[in-house]
Amino acid sequence: EDQVTQSPEALRLQEGESSSLNCSYTVSGLRGLFWYRQDPGKGPEFLFTLYSAGEEKEKERLKATLTKKESFLHITAPKPEDSATYLCAVQWDSNYQLIWGAGTKLIIKP
Amino acid sequence: EAQVTQNPRYLITVTGKKLTVTCSQNMNHEYMSWYRQDPGLGLRQIYYSMNVEVTDKGDVPEGYKVSRKEKRNFPLILESPSPNQTSLYFCAAGYSLNQPQHFGDGTRLSIL
Repeated sequence: EDQVTQSPEALRLQEGESSSLNCSYTVSGLRGLFWYRQDPGKGPEFLFTLYSAGEEKEKERLKATLTKKESFLHITAPKPEDSATYLCAVQWDSNYQLIWGAGTKLIIKP
Repeated sequence: EAQVTQNPRYLITVTGKKLTVTCSQNMNHEYMSWYRQDPGLGLRQIYYSMNVEVTDKGDVPEGYKVSRKEKRNFPLILESPSPNQTSLYFCAAGYSLNQPQHFGDGTRLSIL
């Protein structure tokens, strides 16, 4: 069964403490992997799309990378405003629909 | 500004009382979708629409209906709601099926 697993479920960091979030998938024939950010009381907000292993995308303190089995969202020197739940979703070739991970709740303490 | 607007934002109702959650987008996107979000689970797709008058089932369509009579609107209909449909619902719109989606701010439904 195609699955998307995000780890850890929750992560607490001090402001400035860099770390990484993981999204692993068992989908065969990846078409695209999406990262979204979700703030409390809001809908997910698009961050990145990655299409092939080795690809990297950056935005401010965030960098997303992709291998054949997983993606990492690296956060460098985070600030409290980076606190949110980060979701990944995978789309595969045989079916354009998305499979979503359960998310990682990131808390950055000042 | 790109917007997906859902109404209502919150609703508490009783089992069996038909309800409709509206969704409207201002981006002229062809693709629209409904999801439900439950604690500990990823977003699960209920229905999606590739264009006007074209809708299809997602992963969890049982108990829901949709329609797409106009490009901008994609209402979600619960004909006879049950407590297991208590959830947080999101509408989304995208340029196409494999493009990033814009999400509404969600509708929290409680079915008693």
